[in-house]
Amino acid sequence: GESVGLHLPTLSVQEGDNSIINCAYSNSASDYFIWYKQESGKGPQFIIDIRSNMDKRQGQRVTVLLNKTVKHLSLQIAATQPGDSAVYFCAALYSTLTFGKGTMLLVSP
Amino acid sequence: DGGITQSPKYLFRKEGQNVTLSCEQNLNHDAMYWYRQDPGQGLRLIYYSQIVNDFQKGDIAEGYSVSREKKESFPLTVTSAQKNPTAFYLCASSTIAGEPSYEQYFGPGTRLTVT
Repeated sequence: GESVGLHLPTLSVQEGDNSIINCAYSNSASDYFIWYKQESGKGPQFIIDIRSNMDKRQGQRVTVLLNKTVKHLSLQIAATQPGDSAVYFCAALYSTLTFGKGTMLLVSP
Repeated sequence: DGGITQSPKYLFRKEGQNVTLSCEQNLNHDAMYWYRQDPGQGLRLIYYSQIVNDFQKGDIAEGYSVSREKKESFPLTVTSAQKNPTAFYLCASSTIAGEPSYEQYFGPGTRLTVT
């Protein structure tokens, strides 16, 4: 079956640093990927998505990079702020969205 | 406001009782989903529905049941057959056409505790 996984369960950064959260997927059949942010006790919120015909997509302070050759996805957050502290999930679309386990981003002032 | 609502936020039940979690959306989305989230884990799909009166099992459907009698509503029943029902339950909805995206919109979740 398909699987989606994140490399690190926790990432600690200083305020103002750039953060990079990585994700790998097992099945190259997916042509759509999405990143969510989940704050404690809340539902996930959409951050950014990317289709497989793209290598890079930028949003406000966030960039998603897709490397289809090695089946790797990353989320870059520029100038990380304390409000960015949350769990970040990647997901790949197969018959439905398959989610990774999440990386907790901890931002210290 | 357009959105997806879940109620209640916290739910407590005794072991052996069935319990139904509510999910409503006014986004006019065709598809709705139920996920279970355990501490330190990702989201695992329980059931999903792409059209009224039809639904499909996800990865962990055993011990759960759903109905989709209205487009706006997708209630989840956690039955006494579910061995470890204590968890955070998330409902989501989406379009099915993938335009502009396949984004799923999530509700705030229901934390179910069974003792």
